[in-house]
Amino acid sequence: GENVEQHPSTLSVQEGDSAVIKCTYSDSASNYFPWYKQELGKRPQLIIDIRSNVGEKKDQRIAVTLNKTAKHFSLHITETQPEDSAVYFCAASRGTGFQKLVFGTGTRLLVSP
Amino acid sequence: DVKVTQSSRYLVKRTGEKVFLECVQDMDHENMFWYRQDPGLGLRLIYFSYDVKMKEKGDIPEGYSVSREKKERFSLILESASTNQTSMYLCASSSNRGRDSQFFGPGTRLTVL
Repeated sequence: GENVEQHPSTLSVQEGDSAVIKCTYSDSASNYFPWYKQELGKRPQLIIDIRSNVGEKKDQRIAVTLNKTAKHFSLHITETQPEDSAVYFCAASRGTGFQKLVFGTGTRLLVSP
Repeated sequence: DVKVTQSSRYLVKRTGEKVFLECVQDMDHENMFWYRQDPGLGLRLIYFSYDVKMKEKGDIPEGYSVSREKKERFSLILESASTNQTSMYLCASSSNRGRDSQFFGPGTRLTVL
């Protein structure tokens, strides 16, 4: 079945450093790739997404890149701040429909002041 | 602003009890989802509904059933709760219009003793 692998499982950085989280998906028909941030005790919230017709998308300090040939996509956070500390989940659509997603196992990011 | 609510934040039940978890969304979304979140396993799809009275099994439907009698409400039912169903349960909804991603509820932490 569809599978999304996410690495690393934990990531510790100093404030101001960059953080990169990588995901690999198995379904070549996947065409939608959202990223969610879940702060401690809160619900997952969408922070950025990318569709298969673009290779990169940026929103202030956050960017996502997609390599459809290699079936890789990555989240890049620049100038990290302590409030970026959270668990981040990548996801890929199941087939070409964007309604159903398969999620990665999550990355716990810790940004130290 | 999308609001997805769940009936309880915390729930404690005994083995063998029938458990109902309810989710309500107020944005007229067609799609609703139930996930289970466990450490190191990410979010796993239990059931999905794309319309009233319509449902599809997700990746881990065993031991669960669902009901969607009204568009705004999606219920998860544990017919006979077991200790291995102790987990965080997250509801989500999404629209077929605008191609938005999924919006999550706050979660219900269920403990089965």
